[in-house]
Amino acid sequence: AQSVAQPEDQVNVAEGNPLTVKCTYSVSGNPYLFWYVQYPNRGLQFLLKYITGDNLVKGSYGFEAEFNKSQTSFHLKKPSALVSDSALYFCAVTPRASSNTGKLIFGQGTTLQVKP
Amino acid sequence: GAVVSQHPSWVICKSGTSVKIECRSLDFQATTMFWYRQFPKQSLMLMATSNEGSKATYEQGVEKDKFLINHASLTLSTLTVTSAHPEDSSFYICSARDTRYQIDTQYFGPGTRLTVL
Repeated sequence: AQSVAQPEDQVNVAEGNPLTVKCTYSVSGNPYLFWYVQYPNRGLQFLLKYITGDNLVKGSYGFEAEFNKSQTSFHLKKPSALVSDSALYFCAVTPRASSNTGKLIFGQGTTLQVKP
Repeated sequence: GAVVSQHPSWVICKSGTSVKIECRSLDFQATTMFWYRQFPKQSLMLMATSNEGSKATYEQGVEKDKFLINHASLTLSTLTVTSAHPEDSSFYICSARDTRYQIDTQYFGPGTRLTVL
């Protein structure tokens, strides 16, 4: 079965430190990869996506993600965390074979807590 | 960017009543929209795919007669929870598929908190 895993339920970092939120996937072929962020009682906001090309993708709010095909990973990163980055982060993939339907497969989410 | 709105943002209703939730794509047309349900501190559960001009496609285990979906235009999809019961209380989120660029991207609405008393 195709799946997305976010192995950490919660990530805690100090403000100003770099952060990494991990994501691995088990999907056939070369899927399209996405990161979304959700603030309390809100919908999801699009951060970035990987289609092809450069393995390092830059997105909104200073976030970036590194695609690693051999490790089937797409970790979200930021060089310097802000308290306002505290939120719930979702990794999602669309298998290329399913691109016509547009369905996303979501990870279970990782809560990022940035402390002052 | 692409903006998706939802209305209402929250609703409280009595058991047995029906509730309609609207999802609109504000600055792009969306032939496909999606409806999700989210429980506290959990991931999103896809309920159905809403297709403009045709019937919605429901995920396994989702009652199509209970969760009525209508996608009457390229910018509007509605979800009606019929004869709502307390177990239907949840956070409902819609998304709209933006197909204008190389790869489709789903943009999400802000969600609707439904509480059934």
